Amino acid sequence: GDSVTQMEGPVTLSEEAFLTINCTYTATGYPSLFWYVQYPGEGLQLLLKATKADDKGSNKGFEATYRKETTSFHLEKGSVQVSDSAVYFCALLYKAAGNKLTFGGGTRVLVKP
Amino acid sequence: SQTIHQWPATLVQPVGSPLSLECTVEGTSNPNLYWYRQAAGRGLQLLFYSVGIGQISSEVPQNLSASRPQDRQFILSSKKLLLSDSGFYLCAGRDLNYEQYFGPGTRLTVT
Repeated sequence: GDSVTQMEGPVTLSEEAFLTINCTYTATGYPSLFWYVQYPGEGLQLLLKATKADDKGSNKGFEATYRKETTSFHLEKGSVQVSDSAVYFCALLYKAAGNKLTFGGGTRVLVKP
Repeated sequence: SQTIHQWPATLVQPVGSPLSLECTVEGTSNPNLYWYRQAAGRGLQLLFYSVGIGQISSEVPQNLSASRPQDRQFILSSKKLLLSDSGFYLCAGRDLNYEQYFGPGTRLTVT
């Protein structure tokens, strides 16, 4: 079945450091790929998405590129802030019946001042 | 865009008591709706999804059930809670761009 694998956290960084969170997936066909962010005590918010190979999603300084050849969708940000401390989830979706998201396990990121 | 409302925000219930969590959606009609559970420090598990009124698909066998009595209402229930039902419950809706929007969640503690 389909699956999403993320690097395990927690990832601890200093402010202004470069952030990379690895995400790889296993799927048949061509899913859409998403990154969601969950701030402490809150629900999930869509951060960015990509719907086809080589698409780059970007938002709030975060970027991720849909790499079909490596089945990856790594999240990057060039200079993190304390406010970026959160749990980040990678997910895939097929536009089939139910449109169910398959989530990775989440990566906790802690940015220290 | 759609807005997902959930209540209550937090709930503490004894083992064996019933449960009812409500989710409502604004800003769209006939959405796909989803219930997820997030155990402490872990990822999200899809519990149920619904593509329309009265249509419920269950993803995992468990102590919970779901119902969709109205187009924009999705309810998660249990007749008798177990300790293992503790967690953070999230409702989500899907928009026309196939993006899922999440509610603020309900933190359930079963004691």
